[in-house]
Amino acid sequence: GAVVSQHPSRVICKSGTSVKIECRSLDFQATTMFWYRQFPKQSLMLMATSNEGSKATYEQGVEKDKFLINHASLTLSTLTVTSAHPEDSSFYICSARDRRGTYEQYFGPGTRLTVT
Amino acid sequence: GQQVMQIPQYQHVQEGEDFTTYCNSSTTLSNIQWYKQRPGGHPVFLIQLVKSGEVKKQKRLTFQFGEAKKNSSLHITATQTTDVGTYFCADSPNFGNEKLTFGTGTRLTIIP
Repeated sequence: GAVVSQHPSRVICKSGTSVKIECRSLDFQATTMFWYRQFPKQSLMLMATSNEGSKATYEQGVEKDKFLINHASLTLSTLTVTSAHPEDSSFYICSARDRRGTYEQYFGPGTRLTVT
Repeated sequence: GQQVMQIPQYQHVQEGEDFTTYCNSSTTLSNIQWYKQRPGGHPVFLIQLVKSGEVKKQKRLTFQFGEAKKNSSLHITATQTTDVGTYFCADSPNFGNEKLTFGTGTRLTIIP
């Protein structure tokens, strides 16, 4: 099956620094990738939709200047958490849809961000 | 906006007992997808239902889509320890670049 990777799997950073998370589709091309945030024992909250070659679409309440998304190629999307604060600590998961049009979303393994 | 709720929030069952999670939407669902997330893991796609009243089976798992397309259910027969995890339903749009709306999830734990 299709594989989506995320890097890093875990990251600890200090308040005020920026962290970049990469999401890659390894064996398929994805025109659309999605970024989610998940708090412990809660559901996935969609943050933004990342479209290859165009600006990301952010969900209501998500600060686009704080969570920078770049979808530079059909296999890579990045999420940069700028000026991170402890409240940004969370599990960030990306997913991707195969451009060939299958309806299934393939999820990455997630990135655990801890801001100290 | 649309709300997709699942009940129960938590379910603890003895191994071998059955388990059901119910998914209810405040608006008509386009299509319904089900995902399983193991503890510490990421969601894994299980199935998609499209038609009103549709029923699909995968071994011990039975998925149903309501006649009015506002609810769905997942039933597991004779649970096993490998069934542990959180089960999410999600409203799946008809177009590939549109987002999923996830339900609140049901966390299943198995008592051996």
